[in-house]
Amino acid sequence: KAGVTQTPRYLIKTRGQQVTLSCSPISGHRSVSWYQQTPGQGLQFLFEYFSETQRNKGNFPGRFSGRQFSNSRSEMNVSTLELGDSALYLCASSLAVAGPRETQYFGPGTRLLVL
Amino acid sequence: GENVEQHPSTLSVQEGDSAVIKCTYSDSASNYFPWYKQELGKGPQLIIDIRSNVGEKKDQRIAVTLNKTAKHFSLHITETQPEDSAVYFCAASPGNQFYFGTGTSLTVIP
Repeated sequence: KAGVTQTPRYLIKTRGQQVTLSCSPISGHRSVSWYQQTPGQGLQFLFEYFSETQRNKGNFPGRFSGRQFSNSRSEMNVSTLELGDSALYLCASSLAVAGPRETQYFGPGTRLLVL
Repeated sequence: GENVEQHPSTLSVQEGDSAVIKCTYSDSASNYFPWYKQELGKGPQLIIDIRSNVGEKKDQRIAVTLNKTAKHFSLHITETQPEDSAVYFCAASPGNQFYFGTGTSLTVIP
């Protein structure tokens, strides 16, 4: 099976702009979670989508949003970018039939640099 | 919410020696504990996981132990090889999301 794919892999934006990142989960996986990874804060949970519905949400401001499509592909949007949003954004997918306690498989990430 | 602490933050071992990374968690509801390996420029890769109804799990040179009473779990890598050099993350899930440790940078010296 193909793994989790994320596009684009690298992105440079300026403060105030907005950005949309895309994630295609492993075939058959219905749950997609998004994480922000920075050297200072480590891996922080943004949100999880399951069957097109946001099921869980981390402690990030409303500038961070997401959605999931009927084919389980997911997008994450960050509006009004700030310098501190520079990070590696990771997407992870799982079957998650029993809830978010099932094995998650990560994509390679999108490296976002905000100037 | 859950709090996962991971130690040490850096670890250097000679090739062939063993490496041990320890994590503690705070939420007794956590019942799934995966370990991930992240190489430079890549996303985390699952290497082993354990559920709370099991005390130990092995996969070749890698093993994980879980002590539910003490709320800690450990990753053991035996016969380390240079390709084991990476950052390792532990995680715990009480069911709503995954909480990650801060990572251990493992260097295996040839």
